[in-house]
Amino acid sequence: DTAVSQTPKYLVTQMGNDKSIKCEQNLGHDTMYWYKQDSKKFLKIMFSYNNKELIINETVPNRFSPKSPDKAHLNLHINSLELGDSAVYFCASSQVYGNTGELFFGEGSRLTVL
Amino acid sequence: AQKITQTQPGMFVQEKEAVTLDCTYDTSDPSYGLFWYKQPSSGEMIFLIYQGSYDQQNATEGRYSLNFQKARKSANLVISASQLGDSAMYFCAMRAFNAGNNRKLIWGLGTSLAVNP
Repeated sequence: DTAVSQTPKYLVTQMGNDKSIKCEQNLGHDTMYWYKQDSKKFLKIMFSYNNKELIINETVPNRFSPKSPDKAHLNLHINSLELGDSAVYFCASSQVYGNTGELFFGEGSRLTVL
Repeated sequence: AQKITQTQPGMFVQEKEAVTLDCTYDTSDPSYGLFWYKQPSSGEMIFLIYQGSYDQQNATEGRYSLNFQKARKSANLVISASQLGDSAMYFCAMRAFNAGNNRKLIWGLGTSLAVNP
């Protein structure tokens, strides 16, 4: 049973299109994250939700909109895709209080914008 | 400001030898945690080891150990008896527990390790 699962694993799309990535965790964690990893492997946090509340919102274009319907799910919708959005997007979850707060990552979703 | 520095972009090691991956950190928070993650070429992020700032002993997990030197603010990862499967990108990260946003991990740029047969 996958702890953090995200779909789809691969997306290939044209500039200007809209796409969504879904994420679910079955670990009972209270916090979920979206990270972007660029071609140089740099990990950049984008958003984080704690119990459906947005707690981290880094400097990300407003074309990116996260949505957390419940604490086990965190989705990412991207409007008007640009070439620079090509990257691997990781979903992760953690339980901070009473724990070390280590992140558990999904397998990543590789987005290619043509 | 909180920061993680990994000064080795790339490292090589012979199979069966030990290797140390460097990580230095900067924080004014006395309560923090340090993490190491492995990212093989397949892309997944794998948690390896954790060290808390108040832990008296260096963390160990199988062939992984963390050489924690608090005064030097370093948290180097030591991999003993390297295996070909250890070839991967390794990331050091830190969480400051008293920070305004203690759920945010600060990440290093990573070290690419290649294990030669």
